[in-house]
Order: sequence, then C-alpha cells, then structure tokens
Amino acid sequence: NAGVTQTPKFQVLKTGQSMTLQCAQDMNHEYMSWYRQDPGMGLRLIHYSVGAGITDQGEVPNGYNVSRSTTEDFPLRLLSAAPSQTSVYFCASSYSAGPRGYEQYFGPGTRLTVT
Amino acid sequence: RKEVEQDPGPFNVPEGATVAFNCTYSNSASQSFFWYRQDCRKEPKLLMSVYSSGNEDGRFTAQLNRASQYISLLIRDSKLSDSATYLCVVTGGYQKVTFGIGTKLQVIP
Repeated sequence: NAGVTQTPKFQVLKTGQSMTLQCAQDMNHEYMSWYRQDPGMGLRLIHYSVGAGITDQGEVPNGYNVSRSTTEDFPLRLLSAAPSQTSVYFCASSYSAGPRGYEQYFGPGTRLTVT
Repeated sequence: RKEVEQDPGPFNVPEGATVAFNCTYSNSASQSFFWYRQDCRKEPKLLMSVYSSGNEDGRFTAQLNRASQYISLLIRDSKLSDSATYLCVVTGGYQKVTFGIGTKLQVIP
C-alpha cells in the first residue's frame, strides 16, 4: 500500500494563479481532510470529506475548494493564490477506530510558496 | 484561551533520560485524544491514542485526566531517534480535530 500520496511536493505560484493539489489514498478510508501548517500554529483544517460526494468546510476554508468524486481522491483547489496561502499542506485519510476515535494518516505534504 | 495548549519547548534532554510533556484542552466535550510525532519537514505520524485508563507502548506512556482537562506523554530511556516534535490532538468528532502547536524534543548524546 502506498498509503496517502500527494503531488506536487513543492510549488511556487504567483499571486492570482490557480492550481490543484492532488491527494490520493489506497486504504479505502471513508474520511479525508486537508490541513495547512504554518510556523507557530497547529495544523488547521481547511476542508474535509466523510465520503464520496460529501464535503464540508473546516476552520480555514476561504480561498480553497474541494471535491470528492471517488473514495480514493480528494483534490484541493486554490482559486486565486495569495501570499497568505504560503504554507505546507497536508492531506490525511482516516477511519473510525471505534473507541479510539479517528486515527489519521498523513501524506508527505506539499510546500507551497506564493509570491 | 487556545483550544489545545502545548509548551513548544525545546526540551533538551540527555540520552537515557525520562521526559514528560503535557497538553491542556479547553473543550470538556472532547471525545478522543492522540499523540502524533512529526520529524523535521515530514508529515505527522500517529504515535498513540490516549485512553482514560492510561496506556503504554514500550517506552511511551500516555495519560488522560478529564477532570483537569489535560493529557500527558512520558518517554522513558530517551533515544537520539526520539528527537522530533510531539503533537497533541484533541477531537470532538471527525469535523472537530484540533492540533496543538507541538513540543519539540531534542535528545542529546
């Protein structure tokens, strides 16, 4: 199993450009999420999905769109990049582990710089 | 008050030492608790879940105190390979997952 994969690993964008960060998982997990991680802050939830065709907003959704057409894929779209979106983006997949809650498995991350 | 608070450290400890980290949370309705480990410029990886009764995995022991709303992680016999940032995670359902900023541990030879 590859687990959770993300592409690209690095990206530089100019302000106003759009792009899609790709995320795929092969563990047949129901749940998938996108987080951003900034220095001095914990990971913050951008959007999440509880199954194919179902998505919802997290803590910091502005400027991002998601869709979930299959269980495996959960792309994140930046609509019009801004310098404030410079960050490291992690995709995660999860399943409900009963009493243990939702154990999350993360992809390797995408380091995005917006100039 | 932040929802999840951790001392960012760094904690510099010699090899073989015992070190403990605490994490406090503000939402008394929180349901599940975890410790993740994150190496420099890598993704977070699940270290262990935290149960009310406390749980142990080798040199690592996690405790939950619901009354005082904190969780702890104890590492015994620290190894150089334990050097990393340890993230406290508190959840109230899948859509309500809150990460602490992490505590950096540096184990010194």
